[in-house]
Amino acid sequence: GNSVTQMEGPVTLSEEAFLTINCTYTATGYPSLFWYVQYPGEGLQLLLKATKADDKGSNKGFEATYRKETTSFHLEKGSVQVSDSAVYFCALRKYSGGGADGLTFGKGTHLIIQP
Amino acid sequence: SQTIHQWPATLVQPVGSPLSLECTVEGTSNPNLYWYRQAAGRGLQLLFYSIGIGQISSEVPQNLSASRPQDRQFILSSKKLLLSDSGFYLCAWSLRTAGSGNTIYFGEGSWLTVV
Repeated sequence: GNSVTQMEGPVTLSEEAFLTINCTYTATGYPSLFWYVQYPGEGLQLLLKATKADDKGSNKGFEATYRKETTSFHLEKGSVQVSDSAVYFCALRKYSGGGADGLTFGKGTHLIIQP
Repeated sequence: SQTIHQWPATLVQPVGSPLSLECTVEGTSNPNLYWYRQAAGRGLQLLFYSIGIGQISSEVPQNLSASRPQDRQFILSSKKLLLSDSGFYLCAWSLRTAGSGNTIYFGEGSWLTVV
């Protein structure tokens, strides 16, 4: 079946540090890949997505590139801020036809940015 | 623009009591609808999805049920809650058009504590 693996953390960085959160997936065919962010006590917000190999998703200074050869979708940001502190979820969606297909999530990475 | 609302935001219920969480989507028609649960240490789990009125698919056998009485309304229910039903419940929607690239949008979530 489909699965997503990501570092769980917590990951603690200083403000303005470079961020990488690794994400790898297992799926047949060509899934779409997503990063969601969850701030404390809130629901999930889409951060970025990529729907085919070599696509780069980007938003709010975050980037991730769909690498089919390494089955990865690592999240990066050049300079993090305290406001980036949250839980980040990597997810995939595989359309198999005939019905609705939900997302398969990683377990989430708790990111803490210290001033 | 589309919006999703779910309620109540927080709920404390005794073991054995019933449950009803409601979710509505505005600004779109014929959406796919989803219920997810986020329990401590277990990540995000897809519970139910629906592609139309009265059409519900269950992903995990459990003490819960879902119904879709109207196109944009999705209800999560239980007749008798268990302690293990505690968690953060998220309603979500996506467009029904084919393809894995459609984003799934989440509501703000409902915190359920069974005591």
